[in-house]
Amino acid sequence: DTAVSQTPKYLVTQMGNDKSIKCEQNLGHDTMYWYKQDSKKFLKIMFSYNNKELIINETVPNRFSPKSPDKAHLNLHINSLELGDSAVYFCASSQDLGAGGFEQYFGPGTRLTVT
Amino acid sequence: SQKIEQNSEALNIQEGKTATLTCNYTNYSPAYLQWYRQDPGRGPVFLLLIRENEKEKRKERLKVTFDTTLKQSLFHITASQPADSATYLCALPPNQAGTALIFGKGTTLSVSS
Repeated sequence: DTAVSQTPKYLVTQMGNDKSIKCEQNLGHDTMYWYKQDSKKFLKIMFSYNNKELIINETVPNRFSPKSPDKAHLNLHINSLELGDSAVYFCASSQDLGAGGFEQYFGPGTRLTVT
Repeated sequence: SQKIEQNSEALNIQEGKTATLTCNYTNYSPAYLQWYRQDPGRGPVFLLLIRENEKEKRKERLKVTFDTTLKQSLFHITASQPADSATYLCALPPNQAGTALIFGKGTTLSVSS
């Protein structure tokens, strides 16, 4: 059974389009995250949700909007896509937020290419 | 602000040798540190966590040390194998409670047979 799954695996789209990436975890975790990994492989937090509530919103353009319909799902919607949005987006989950040192489980990633 | 540095982008060693990767941090005192492995085209996978009151942690051929005075963690893979080739990331909690991990840029290890 896949612990953290993301769809789609690959996403190729044109500038200006709107797209969504879906994430689901079957680990029963309370916290879910979206990370962006750029071409230099730097992994940076975008959002964190705890029990369906937004906890962290790093400096991310308003074009990015996360939605958590329930604890097991955290989707990412991106409006008006730009070339600079091209990256690999990872969903992750953990039992709780970082204070306890809980390990994070990552999904396989979604490679977004904006042309 | 907090800063994490993994000293090498790439490390090449021969099979059977010990690989040692370094993670340095500045401007804070984390309660713990984690190491992850990332293979090409995949998400990071958790390997080990070491807390500030632990000097050393082991798991099979992996060993992690945590020196809070030097603000440094060393990650060792003994008897390395080509299958150990991957990117290894260190991650630390930020200063603010309740926020996500901060990852280093990673060191890509290549083990040749």
